[in-house]
This record gives sequence, structure tokens and C-alpha cells, in this order.
Amino acid sequence: RKEVEQDPGPFNVPEGATVAFNCTYSNSASQSFFWYRQDCRKEPKLLMSVYSSGNEDGRFTAQLNRASQYISLLIRDSKLSDSATYLCVVNRGSNYKLTFGKGTLLTVNP
Amino acid sequence: EAGVAQSPRYKIIEKRQSVAFWCNPISGHATLYWYQQILGQGPKLLIQFQNNGVVDDSQLPKDRFSAERLKGVDSTLKIQPAKLEDSAVYLCASSGTFEQYFGPGTRLTVT
Repeated sequence: RKEVEQDPGPFNVPEGATVAFNCTYSNSASQSFFWYRQDCRKEPKLLMSVYSSGNEDGRFTAQLNRASQYISLLIRDSKLSDSATYLCVVNRGSNYKLTFGKGTLLTVNP
Repeated sequence: EAGVAQSPRYKIIEKRQSVAFWCNPISGHATLYWYQQILGQGPKLLIQFQNNGVVDDSQLPKDRFSAERLKGVDSTLKIQPAKLEDSAVYLCASSGTFEQYFGPGTRLTVT
């Protein structure tokens, strides 16, 4: 089983749609969790951290369920500019060694 | 604030040749990472430095890959000899706290 597994995608949605990405991780000792965004042929950039209590940043909501080892990202009111690959990322230890999922490609259509 | 710098941006070599990549992290960042990102995959950590010491190199193919970070600042990653499967984007990242900042990457094609 891979350490971090994501929805394979791709997702194609119209502007204004709500889209959800799911991710599972295999190591129960994982300590911190993130979503990164990667535009085509660009470097990954931190989108948001994921906390057990859930957290929201504008149109983006991230959830963590430690018991199920499950992470989610919800994007409301999708914009064309949200088109990118979304990477689920897990940190196992205190040295911030990150393990990335394969990523899920989102295309928002006009 | 200047970001992570990498060079070259693109490199095409033949198999069995050698190649080196350079990274200059964000000023003051103690931790530096090298990742390999194959097309359609997420980045895979190759090596992590804390200042000029290696924290983790468990996924570095040490028979052909080497990396160093002199004086705890700039870093180089070398591949010798290259194989076809080394074709990928090599990303450098640095961090001061938990957030990692990535450079633009070097796109390597091995023919």
C-alpha cells in the first residue's frame, strides 16, 4: 500500500462547482498534513495545512480524520484559476520529511 | 524576498553521461531538500540537509547520485552515470520552519 494515496482524477468541473478531493495515508504515526498546489510545469506551493479540527481559507476547506487516516480538500465556487494539480502531503516526523501523493488534476471549465 | 534559485532550468544528456544541478536556498533557511518528480507523480524526496549535515538520504540511489551542501548554503546534486529512468524534474526546496518553498526545478531529459 502506498504511503499517501489520492483520488486518481482528473476532475473536470464547470465554474462555480464544488469539488472534493480525498486522500488516505498509511502511517498512523504521521504528524502533520498539508495540501500543496502545483500549476502545470511549475513548482508545488503550499495551499494550506490540515488540522484535526478542520480549517477553512476562503473557498477552501480541509478536513482530517486521524481515526480513518483520511484527509480531504473541498473547493467551493470553483474559479478558472483553480485549475491545477492538488497534492496531498503527509509529514511523518519532527524533521519535516514530506511524502507526497501522486496528485489530482483539476480543470475548471468556463 | 528572493526565492529558491536553481540552475540549469533544462538539461538534455545522453545515457551514461554525468550531470550536476545547483540550488541556492532562501537566505537563512537551514533545511534543504532535493526531490525527484517523474511525470505524473508527486515529488519524491531524495535527500534532506540540515545546515551542511545529511538528515535523510534513504531514497537516494547512492550508486549514481550524490549531493553535497557546502557551508550550509548552496547545494549540488550530481548524477553519474545517468540512466533513461532519471528523466524527471529535480526540485530543490528549503525551509526555515515547517513550510517548504520550492525552486522552479531542473527538467532533465536523458536520451
